[in-house]
Amino acid sequence: GENVEQHPSTLSVQEGDSAVIKCTYSDSASNYFPWYKQELGKGPQLIIDIRSNVGEKKDQRIAVTLNKTAKHFSLHITETQPEDSAVYFCAATPDYKLSFGAGTTVTVRA
Amino acid sequence: GAVVSQHPSWVICKSGTSVKIECRSLDFQATTMFWYRQFPKQSLMLMATSNEGSKATYEQGVEKDKFLINHASLTLSTLTVTSAHPEDSSFYICSATTTSGGSVDTQYFGPGTRLTVL
Repeated sequence: GENVEQHPSTLSVQEGDSAVIKCTYSDSASNYFPWYKQELGKGPQLIIDIRSNVGEKKDQRIAVTLNKTAKHFSLHITETQPEDSAVYFCAATPDYKLSFGAGTTVTVRA
Repeated sequence: GAVVSQHPSWVICKSGTSVKIECRSLDFQATTMFWYRQFPKQSLMLMATSNEGSKATYEQGVEKDKFLINHASLTLSTLTVTSAHPEDSSFYICSATTTSGGSVDTQYFGPGTRLTVL
């Protein structure tokens, strides 16, 4: 099955700086890569996703890049704000079952 | 759009009792729903996949007789934890998608249900 590794496990950034989270996957057949944000005590919220036919996708301050050759994808958050503090999960799938990374706890310092 | 609700948001029960958790897609028809459990500071672990009108498919190591899943309609799936024990205490989260038959579609997650078994 698919195996997704996520780094770093924790990330502390100054407000206004950028945050980058990286994930690698094992199954070359994976073709869908969503990113979720989870706040304490809540369910995951989809923030952006990318499919294997594109290399980059952007939505305001959030962007995701995908390198299929190297089998890794990254989440970039620019101009971080305190409300960006949360746990972020990457995921990958070749079919319909998502395999999740271990999560990254992001703390934005005011 | 794409809102998924869960009820209850939290439940406390005594050991040996059964607990039912509901998952509803509010503004779309969910051909497939997923049930996850999440322990503190850990990632989401898929328990089972359910398709409307058919039996759920359980992941390896998940006891199907303990975690009963029913997906009776395109907007409702239920998870029943039977004879709950303290080790079943966890955060249970459902997700829903319009995926049918292997193609990938976006999964939308519910807010989760915190189960505490005393």
